[in-house]
Amino acid sequence: AQTVTQSQPEMSVQEAETVTLSCTYDTSESDYYLFWYKQPPSRQMILVIRQEAYKQQNATENRFSVNFQKAAKSFSLKISDSQLGDAAMYFCAYREIGGDSSYKLIFGSGTRLLVRP
Amino acid sequence: NAGVMQNPRHLVRRRGQEARLRCSPMKGHSHVYWYRQLPEEGLKFMVYLQKENIIDESGMPKERFSAEFPKEGPSILRIQQVVRGDSAAYFCASSPYRGLQETQYFGPGTRLLVL
Repeated sequence: AQTVTQSQPEMSVQEAETVTLSCTYDTSESDYYLFWYKQPPSRQMILVIRQEAYKQQNATENRFSVNFQKAAKSFSLKISDSQLGDAAMYFCAYREIGGDSSYKLIFGSGTRLLVRP
Repeated sequence: NAGVMQNPRHLVRRRGQEARLRCSPMKGHSHVYWYRQLPEEGLKFMVYLQKENIIDESGMPKERFSAEFPKEGPSILRIQQVVRGDSAAYFCASSPYRGLQETQYFGPGTRLLVL
């Protein structure tokens, strides 16, 4: 079964600095999608960025970028120029492909990001 | 275009009562996923439905939980005879098609508290 591991329960970053959140996953599949979701205090799940496994190029969305290492099964999120509004729980998620798959998301346990003013 | 709607946002039940959670997907979306988030944990998949069909219920507890997505109306997650361990946030997500590339859009969640 696929698993997603976030080994950092909490991270702290100074406003305007850069922070990297770690995520590793375990799968025997060769094609899949990976996601980072943000959950602010409102608890709404907000899609931050997604990566297709067959694409070599790392995805970027404004201040958010990923470092996708397929062989190492690693998918870290880098937040540049951190802002107070970035403070939230961040969840890494894996989505499987193919066959009778329901394309459900498998989530890690989350990393709480604190932003210091 | 309205997003995914869930109601109620907060629900309080006493042990043994029934809880009914509703999810209205985004317009044009016919696929719904339900996830549960226990306190201080990530979201866990429960069930995947298309209109009038349950496709994957591998994450649903075997007893007391059921889900439906009728031809007309919202998707319903029903929990019978609730227990304190059912206290959690329940999220639904919708997508327009069944496909790996399709993004799941999440609703705001329903916070269930069982007294």
